[in-house]
Amino acid sequence: DSGVTQTPKHLITATGQRVTLRCSPRSGDLSVYWYQQSLDQGLQFLIQYYNGEERAKGNILERFSAQQFPDLHSELNLSSLELGDSALYFCASSAPGAGANVLTFGAGSRLTVL
Amino acid sequence: GQNIDQPTEMTATEGAIVQINCTYQTSGFNGLFWYQQHAGEAPTFLSYNVLDGLEEKGRFSSFLSRSKGYSYLLLKELQMKDSASYLCAVELTGANNLFFGTGTRLTVIP
Repeated sequence: DSGVTQTPKHLITATGQRVTLRCSPRSGDLSVYWYQQSLDQGLQFLIQYYNGEERAKGNILERFSAQQFPDLHSELNLSSLELGDSALYFCASSAPGAGANVLTFGAGSRLTVL
Repeated sequence: GQNIDQPTEMTATEGAIVQINCTYQTSGFNGLFWYQQHAGEAPTFLSYNVLDGLEEKGRFSSFLSRSKGYSYLLLKELQMKDSASYLCAVELTGANNLFFGTGTRLTVIP
């Protein structure tokens, strides 16, 4: 158990629908990152939050949005789902301060769009 | 743009040594990470290099040459459980995230 909790583990839905993925970071970590991993693809950075504020944005589609709440948990909202959105979505967290920015990943949420 | 190159697949024998190479071309560089990812599971941190040279951690070692944009991960005394994907990732200057390569899928055979 990495200490990063993601729910749900698996999700099957239809095209056009909307889903919400949830992430709780490790205790003490202020940063939350969302990554998408499609079949045979690398981890694609979507977005990062630090202590409730958006810190960096990657190749996140306009149909996707995220936020980090005061208790530091984060949600990734995916709307108008398409078949190509089927992927593993990972959340990671990291500790504040200097030094290597080691990301600790959750177990992922596997989204299947039919 | 950013680019990381790693071999797609490698096979090695149990008990042997394997070296997984990674080359990168990025606009800015803070450090280089290696992660291990078993199929369908979360990536787990293996090593971090910021300065040139070799970092050794048990059976795993990682090397970095900043001037050549090159790193490798060395796995010794291979075990069957080392069958996994190995992800090379660069922390970009001024960024707060890691840019990952597509990974090298290592298969350890008896």
